[in-house]
Amino acid sequence: DAKTTQPPSMDCAEGRAANLPCNHSTISGNEYVYWYRQIHSQGPQYIIHGLKNNETNEMASLIITEDRKSSTLILPHATLRDTAVYYCIVRFHTFGNEKLTFGTGTRLTIIP
Amino acid sequence: NAGVTQTPKFRVLKTGQSMTLLCAQDMNHEYMYWYRQDPGMGLRLIHYSVGEGTTAKGEVPDGYNVSRLKKQNFLLGLESAAPSQTSVYFCASSYPDRLATSGAKNIQYFGAGTRLSVL
Repeated sequence: DAKTTQPPSMDCAEGRAANLPCNHSTISGNEYVYWYRQIHSQGPQYIIHGLKNNETNEMASLIITEDRKSSTLILPHATLRDTAVYYCIVRFHTFGNEKLTFGTGTRLTIIP
Repeated sequence: NAGVTQTPKFRVLKTGQSMTLLCAQDMNHEYMYWYRQDPGMGLRLIHYSVGEGTTAKGEVPDGYNVSRLKKQNFLLGLESAAPSQTSVYFCASSYPDRLATSGAKNIQYFGAGTRLSVL
């Protein structure tokens, strides 16, 4: 699975859009980009994933560049409850390889 | 919906003691995983299972054993606990990727964690 690079920390004002970048320059054609977050010391929570097209769900939007070497997770209207560590993960979709490899993520702090 | 339930939530052991952590899921997921998380680090995979009766090693399997006798349960055992095993342990479950095309979400659902201290 390709490695990812994320900034260690970011701040965002409450009510503004939080844009979290992720670099995955060695991603291969059939690797998906996943985003999870971990609030305080709880178990990680799935946010969104995509292959090449931009994706949106009730939690966030995922923008993947055309060359797929980087992506951005967008929380459109950040709230204090979005303060968490956000993990960008890249992996294949193959039988028996559903394992997630977590890095150290980005610690997002929402400022009141 | 309980989702993924881990027991116990907290435990303190002395070096050399043994214990078993229990993970139970009620989502009929085929896959289950055990991770550990040390301070300031991401999660690391210990062992995983792709179905009842099967287990496989992850990134950091040494010092741990697992069993999957029932589809809904995945047990993590420490035979002789060491201070280096002080950590937070998370269990997760998921459908396999091959079911994702039928609409099942192949995402991992995590439990609340077990905080283990080995003195």
